[in-house]
Amino acid sequence: GNSVTQMEGPVTLSEEAFLTINCTYTATGYPSLFWYVQYPGEGLQLLLKATKADDKGSNKGFEATYRKETTSFHLEKGSVQVSDSAVYFCALDTGNQFYFGTGTSLTVIP
Amino acid sequence: DTEVTQTPKHLVMGMTNKKSLKCEQHMGHRAMYWYKQKAKKPPELMFVYSYEKLSINESVPSRFSPECPNSSLLNLHLHALQPEDSALYLCASSRNDREAYEQYFGPGTRLTVT
Repeated sequence: GNSVTQMEGPVTLSEEAFLTINCTYTATGYPSLFWYVQYPGEGLQLLLKATKADDKGSNKGFEATYRKETTSFHLEKGSVQVSDSAVYFCALDTGNQFYFGTGTSLTVIP
Repeated sequence: DTEVTQTPKHLVMGMTNKKSLKCEQHMGHRAMYWYKQKAKKPPELMFVYSYEKLSINESVPSRFSPECPNSSLLNLHLHALQPEDSALYLCASSRNDREAYEQYFGPGTRLTVT
């Protein structure tokens, strides 16, 4: 079946550190892949997306590349800020249904 | 405009009350969704409306009753809820549910059942 596996959190980083949050997926066909971010007390916001293999999604300094050979869509940021503290969800859409990963909580300390 | 709005922001209700949650989008999206989210968990899909017709009901108890009056509005009617129904209820929309489009989420309604 279809599924998304995210690295377990929580993740705690110092400001300006490099961030990687791993995401791998299992899916039939050619899904679209997404990263969503949820700040405390808020709904989910679309952070970035990629719709086909080798696409790179980017937004607000975050990047993720759709790797079909490794079925991965890892989220990276070169220098995190305190304001990036949030929960990050990897997700895929097969066209029939949306699947979320379990979420990774990130805390950035000054 | 990629905004999905939800009202109310917070709701406290007793187990015998009847209340409704409202969701609105003006992006011309033809698929709308209700999710339930517990703390520190991903959203769980409850219902999907596609072109104003209910297309998916994820075995949700009948005390939750969705309604889609038109293509821009989605309601969730609540009746005789249980304390374990306390959660963040999220509405989302997408261009349609037949292709892999991103979903846009509202800010949610924080529901507390006493």
